[in-house]
Amino acid sequence: AQSVTQLGSHVSVSEGALVLLRCNYSSSVPPYLFWYVQYPNQGLQLLLKYTTGATLVKGINGFEAEFKKSETSFHLTKPSAHMSDAAEYFCAVSDRGGAQKLVFGQGTRLTINP
Amino acid sequence: KAGVTQTPRYLIKTRGQQVTLSCSPISGHRSVSWYQQTPGQGLQFLFEYFSETQRNKGNFPGRFSGRQFSNSRSEMNVSTLELGDSALYLCASSSVTGGRYNEQFFGPGTRLTVL
Repeated sequence: AQSVTQLGSHVSVSEGALVLLRCNYSSSVPPYLFWYVQYPNQGLQLLLKYTTGATLVKGINGFEAEFKKSETSFHLTKPSAHMSDAAEYFCAVSDRGGAQKLVFGQGTRLTINP
Repeated sequence: KAGVTQTPRYLIKTRGQQVTLSCSPISGHRSVSWYQQTPGQGLQFLFEYFSETQRNKGNFPGRFSGRQFSNSRSEMNVSTLELGDSALYLCASSSVTGGRYNEQFFGPGTRLTVL
């Protein structure tokens, strides 16, 4: 069975500081990995995805993530936080056979301090 | 291209009633998945439909059911509502290319409150 662990349910950074949201996964098969963002009272928006190929993945809004198989990690980073980045972030995994059943982590709420 | 739409956006029901939620996928997307989001359990997969067939099912009781129509629109139904069914229900659609599913795009969700 697949699972996702997001370390830290709440992360707070200052505007302009580095954002680092941690995600570790467990999967018995090579995974597809995703980061989604959710703003209040909205659905989920895809930030980036890893399927195959380059392990450093660039997404929207300046975010990127690196797939590290040896560490079973897929941490999300952004060099400089903006106030508009305040939201909840979800890491998700699916297996390559059928990418329709996403298994999500518990989410990390990101707060940006002015 | 229009995104995934869900109706209604908000719904209030009482225990014991049933409810039907609707989802219209992005044009051309044939796969529709449903998720339940609650503060306690987080985001949990309900089921997925492709070409009117349920392909995957999560670990939910039989009170939760769904269907997909020939135009790929999907509905989910919850019968005999319980207080614990209060949640945000999210629908997601995706396309299939060469037999491989592409990423899911989510709708804004339906907020169900059970009193």
